[in-house]
Amino acid sequence: NFMLTQPHSVSESPGRPVTISCTRSSGSIASNYVQWYRQRPGSAPTTLIYEDNQRPSGVPARFSGSIDSSSNSASLTISGLKTEDEADYYCQSFDSSNHWVFGGGTKLTVL
Amino acid sequence: DVQLVESGGGLVKPGGSLRLSCAASGFTFSNAWMSWVRQAPGKGLEWVGRIKRWTDGGTTDYAAPVRGRFTISRDDSKNTVDLEMSGLKAEDTAIYYCVTNYVQAWGQGTLVTVSS
Repeated sequence: NFMLTQPHSVSESPGRPVTISCTRSSGSIASNYVQWYRQRPGSAPTTLIYEDNQRPSGVPARFSGSIDSSSNSASLTISGLKTEDEADYYCQSFDSSNHWVFGGGTKLTVL
Repeated sequence: DVQLVESGGGLVKPGGSLRLSCAASGFTFSNAWMSWVRQAPGKGLEWVGRIKRWTDGGTTDYAAPVRGRFTISRDDSKNTVDLEMSGLKAEDTAIYYCVTNYVQAWGQGTLVTVSS
């Protein structure tokens, strides 16, 4: 099976953009959809991005998802950072049996 | 509004059993594949298992750590999905979330603590 590797933590200033990567260890990142979830402290996760780059209704356009086959990774980009974006972010994809595989999570600090 | 509401969590002794339930509303439940995801204290997210919709066979799949001990079932007449857990171990201690990517929804979670 494969793993999804995320940076343990990232930090950026309010108003700046930030990108969180999610690298697939084996197999093509493009072979299965990638989802991104946000989990604020003490709260349940919520879906930010599904099917690589789709936003559920209610998720602002400053959240975007993409995949890059050359680096075999997916990325979540948040533009115009706000202090309320401080949270843990998880990527997730599927294996060949449609089992969910999660990345280890990235703690975003907005300085 | 879409809602997933879990219930049934609590304290259980090692080797014991517990049944969690998730009540869904605000979407066509019978069309949705339903999953359970857990999060141990201070840890990341871990997929537990899934049940497909009946038109896709209604079959279940489980993560290796819980296979043979956990069972997922659904009742489309009540819009509920259950997670029956047996042979519980300390490492099963976690918040358990009901999730569906059909409408990108998560429940608020229910805490299961396995301790003597």
